Amino acid sequence: AQTVTQSQPEMSVQEAETVTLSCTYDTSESDYYLFWYKQPPSRQMILVIRQEAYKQQNATENRFSVNFQKAAKSFSLKISDSQLGDAAMYFCAYRSAGTDKLIFGTGTRLQVFP
Amino acid sequence: NAGVTQTPKFRVLKTGQSMTLLCAQDMNHEYMYWYRQDPGMGLRLIHYSVGEGTTAKGEVPDGYNVSRLKKQNFLLGLESAAPSQTSVYFCASSKDRGKAEAFFGQGTRLTVV
Repeated sequence: AQTVTQSQPEMSVQEAETVTLSCTYDTSESDYYLFWYKQPPSRQMILVIRQEAYKQQNATENRFSVNFQKAAKSFSLKISDSQLGDAAMYFCAYRSAGTDKLIFGTGTRLQVFP
Repeated sequence: NAGVTQTPKFRVLKTGQSMTLLCAQDMNHEYMYWYRQDPGMGLRLIHYSVGEGTTAKGEVPDGYNVSRLKKQNFLLGLESAAPSQTSVYFCASSKDRGKAEAFFGQGTRLTVV
């Protein structure tokens, strides 16, 4: 069975600085998809960024980028120029290409200080 | 543009009671998911569906049943509620397989006393 592990329950960063959130996963599949979702206090889940496992190039969305290391089964999220509005719970997620099962990690709570 | 709507938003149940949570999406999505969110546990997949008439077990299916009789609706049932099922429940849907974004409902806070 696939698992997703986020080893940092909480992280903090100062406004305008850069922070990296870690995510590792375990799978025997070669084809899958990885995501980062953001959950602000409103509880609404928002897609931040996604990565196809067959693509070597790391995905980037404005201030958000990933470091995808397929061999190490690692998928970290880098937030550059952090803003107060980035404060939220961040979830790493894995989707199986075979079963379409979409599973999440335990989340990392990010605090942003002015 | 409603997206994914969950009913009800809040509910308090007594141990042993039954209830059904309704998830409705108006985006013609094939894939639908039910999760529970607990502090320190993240979102755990309960059941999911890859199309009308299909359902599959997730990570924590025990104590729950689901049905997908219509494409737009995904029902989550608790036959005999237990305090361990106190949680926030989220429904999600996605149009396609693979990298398709999952759209989430606003959540249902369920308390079992």
